[in-house]
Amino acid sequence: AQKVTQAQTEISVVEKEDVTLDCVYETRDTTYYLFWYKQPPSGELVFLIRRNSFDEQNEISGRYSWNFQKSTSSFNFTITASQVVDSAVYFCALSEHRGNTGKLIFGQGTTLQVKP
Amino acid sequence: DTGVSQNPRHKITKRGQNVTFRCDPISEHNRLYWYRQTLGQGPEFLTYFQNEAQLEKSRLLSDRFSAERPKGSFSTLEIQRTEQGDSAMYLCASSLAFAGSGGEQFFGPGTRLTVL
Repeated sequence: AQKVTQAQTEISVVEKEDVTLDCVYETRDTTYYLFWYKQPPSGELVFLIRRNSFDEQNEISGRYSWNFQKSTSSFNFTITASQVVDSAVYFCALSEHRGNTGKLIFGQGTTLQVKP
Repeated sequence: DTGVSQNPRHKITKRGQNVTFRCDPISEHNRLYWYRQTLGQGPEFLTYFQNEAQLEKSRLLSDRFSAERPKGSFSTLEIQRTEQGDSAMYLCASSLAFAGSGGEQFFGPGTRLTVL
């Protein structure tokens, strides 16, 4: 069965600290997609990144970077030099290719608080 | 394009009443998804449409829930005989079908339902 686990419920850091949000997934499908979404206090989910199961290259976008490791079924997200505006709930999600539904299986989310 | 819109943003109702929510997806998106998010949890998939066809329903979607997308544009989600356990944020998302399971889903701001 498919499942996404975000073991960190809440993380609090001081501005400019680096922080890593963990994501572990389970799937029997060989082709799948992994996503990260940000949910700021306003509530609307904002897409951050998508990765397919055949692309294990790490990605960097500004202060954000993602580390995908199939061997450990993990897709971790690092924010470098965190800022107060990064405060939000972050969700990791999985979509299996099987059935081609595109439905997302979300983790429980990690609440990140960045203090000035 | 104004993105995905949902109405109403908030709904307070008494137990036993019926409620209906509306979602207007991004105009060229042919896939539309409904999710439910309870406090402190990640969104959970309810159902999705490709054009006007409802292709999958979660077992979370009890007989009291019905969704429609009559002309393949906007969608409605109706809950009959509401229960307190229905209190949640109802999220709508849309995407392009050709992108398949890896397609980015764009989320609306959600409708927060409170059942008294």
